[in-house]
Amino acid sequence: GAVVSQHPSRVICKSGTSVKIECRSLDFQATTMFWYRQFPKQSLMLMATSNEGSKATYEQGVEKDKFLINHASLTLSTLTVTSAHPEDSSFYICSARRGAGEAFFGQGTRLTVV
Amino acid sequence: SQELEQSPQSLIVQEGKNLTINCTSSKTLYGLYWYKQKYGEGLIFLMMLQKGGEEKSHEKITAKLDEKKQQSSLHITASQPSHAGIYLCGALTLIYNQGGKLIFGQGTELSVKP
Repeated sequence: GAVVSQHPSRVICKSGTSVKIECRSLDFQATTMFWYRQFPKQSLMLMATSNEGSKATYEQGVEKDKFLINHASLTLSTLTVTSAHPEDSSFYICSARRGAGEAFFGQGTRLTVV
Repeated sequence: SQELEQSPQSLIVQEGKNLTINCTSSKTLYGLYWYKQKYGEGLIFLMMLQKGGEEKSHEKITAKLDEKKQQSSLHITASQPSHAGIYLCGALTLIYNQGGKLIFGQGTELSVKP
């Protein structure tokens, strides 16, 4: 299957700083990318959907200014957690979809804010 | 908004036994995905179903989508310890901007006893 690379896999940052997570589709052009957050022992919560070249569509309750999403090209989307706080600590995972086909997932990023 | 109800939430089976996981949607599904995950890791794509009555198999795993496209089941035959993990059903909803959005059920945690 197609490969989606997410980086970094783990990051520890200080409270108040910003962290950028990258999601790349390595061997296909992703028309749509999704960003999820997952708490321990829970399912994936959709944060936002982004289409290349347009603004991301955020789910209700997700702060746009807090979680900045950029989908600058058909192979790259980034999620920036701004002014991170300990409650932002979580597992973040991206998914890339090619047209009407399958959605492939990155390996996730474990964010810890101290 | 569309919701996915997955059952059971957890399942413990003896190696060699068959099992079924169900996923029910509150609305008609445009696409139904099955994934496997180990917590803290990425999702492994299993199958995608789009047509009412569709059935797909891969090795010992079979997934079906009912004719009304509101219910799907994942069946594992002769389970093995390697089948253990979290199984997630995902639904593609609201096709817009060529993307739609992909939401998930609560997940089913499967343990297989040797």
